[in-house]
Amino acid sequence: NAGVTQTPKFRVLKTGQSMTLLCAQDMNHEYMYWYRQDPGMGLRLIHYSVGEGTTAKGEVPDGYNVSRLKKQNFLLGLESAAPSQTSVYFCASNQYSNYGYTFGSGTRLTVV
Amino acid sequence: GESVGLHLPTLSVQEGDNSIINCAYSNSASDYFIWYKQESGKGPQFIIDIRSNMDKRQGQRVTVLLNKTVKHLSLQIAATQPGDSAVYFCAENIESGTGANNLFFGTGTRLTVIP
Repeated sequence: NAGVTQTPKFRVLKTGQSMTLLCAQDMNHEYMYWYRQDPGMGLRLIHYSVGEGTTAKGEVPDGYNVSRLKKQNFLLGLESAAPSQTSVYFCASNQYSNYGYTFGSGTRLTVV
Repeated sequence: GESVGLHLPTLSVQEGDNSIINCAYSNSASDYFIWYKQESGKGPQFIIDIRSNMDKRQGQRVTVLLNKTVKHLSLQIAATQPGDSAVYFCAENIESGTGANNLFFGTGTRLTVIP
């Protein structure tokens, strides 16, 4: 049972480039989340999904888009990367909304 | 969302001693709290949770205490081991109004265990 898998693990982008981060979970969880983690700021919620075909904005959604076309996958897109988006991105999921999350191992993104 | 704060950014303890990590929250409507452990280069790992109808919950070597009167949460680790060295986050669960309850995280406390 893999849990939550994130790809890629590392990426370097030039300013203005686009990319998609993939999150896949094999636990049949309804809810999925994207967080970013910056030094000294903990984890901040970017976007989340309450089920297949749904997405919603979190605390810091600007500059990101998401899609949940399949229940097991939650994609995070950066259309035009900026240095301020340099961060570690974590995906998480849970089956019920008021229960703990299972996190992936993260994607370290650097925008130069 | 409401912020969740931690009193101490770093904590160093001797191996075998007990550790206490504190957390303050400000949203009185929060009804669910979780402690996560994050080791270097890894994602947060669930340790223990507690709901607002409880004051205390115990796990294996860990205890979480909730004081709703002063909006304070603590994590106690008994007989701290080198493997406990990590950053610890508390998180509060807040209803989003869109069908999901979202977790809001504190900035974390780095626990260092001295052999």
